[in-house]
Amino acid sequence: AQKVTQAQTEISVVEKEDVTLDCVYETRDTTYYLFWYKQPPSGELVFLIRRNSFDEQNEISGRYSWNFQKSTSSFNFTITASQVVDSAVYFCALSGRGGYQKVTFGTGTKLQVIP
Amino acid sequence: DVKVTQSSRYLVKRTGEKVFLECVQDMDHENMFWYRQDPGLGLRLIYFSYDVKMKEKGDIPEGYSVSREKKERFSLILESASTNQTSMYLCASSPLVGDPIHFGPGTRLTVT
Repeated sequence: AQKVTQAQTEISVVEKEDVTLDCVYETRDTTYYLFWYKQPPSGELVFLIRRNSFDEQNEISGRYSWNFQKSTSSFNFTITASQVVDSAVYFCALSGRGGYQKVTFGTGTKLQVIP
Repeated sequence: DVKVTQSSRYLVKRTGEKVFLECVQDMDHENMFWYRQDPGLGLRLIYFSYDVKMKEKGDIPEGYSVSREKKERFSLILESASTNQTSMYLCASSPLVGDPIHFGPGTRLTVT
């Protein structure tokens, strides 16, 4: 069985602050994929990043960065210098590699950036 | 750009009705998914399909069935709608195992 835990239900930050969204996962697969998605107030989920289990390099894309640590089964997401447009619900997801693609999502973290 | 379309954005049905939610993707993706999204519960997988006529149960399949007669179309069926099936339903697709999945805009279903 696979599981994704996002312990932070809601986070509020003031604009320009940095914020980290936590994601902890469980899987028996040795090969797997991790994802982050953003769901803005408009509602449609948008893919942000994918990581496979063999690639533990951190990734940076503009103000976004991701920290993948297999030792702690975590895939955390940091937004630097947050902006109001970052206000959204963010979901972490896990896909196993065994056979079929069952994609399991966490419960999401609602981020509110206050101007 | 991948496009996943869902037949309705809003739907209101009565308890006991049979409900069909339709989803079409235009990118020849192998995998298709149905999720429901409820506050505090995130996205929960109902069913997924990895090929035409093939399906697998997700985490909450009870009360639902699916149909995939053509590769581009994946339908979710509520055999006898109940009020606890009031939710946002999200269809999604992906090319292959491990690829990002692409979501449709969702159907907000209310069962009264």
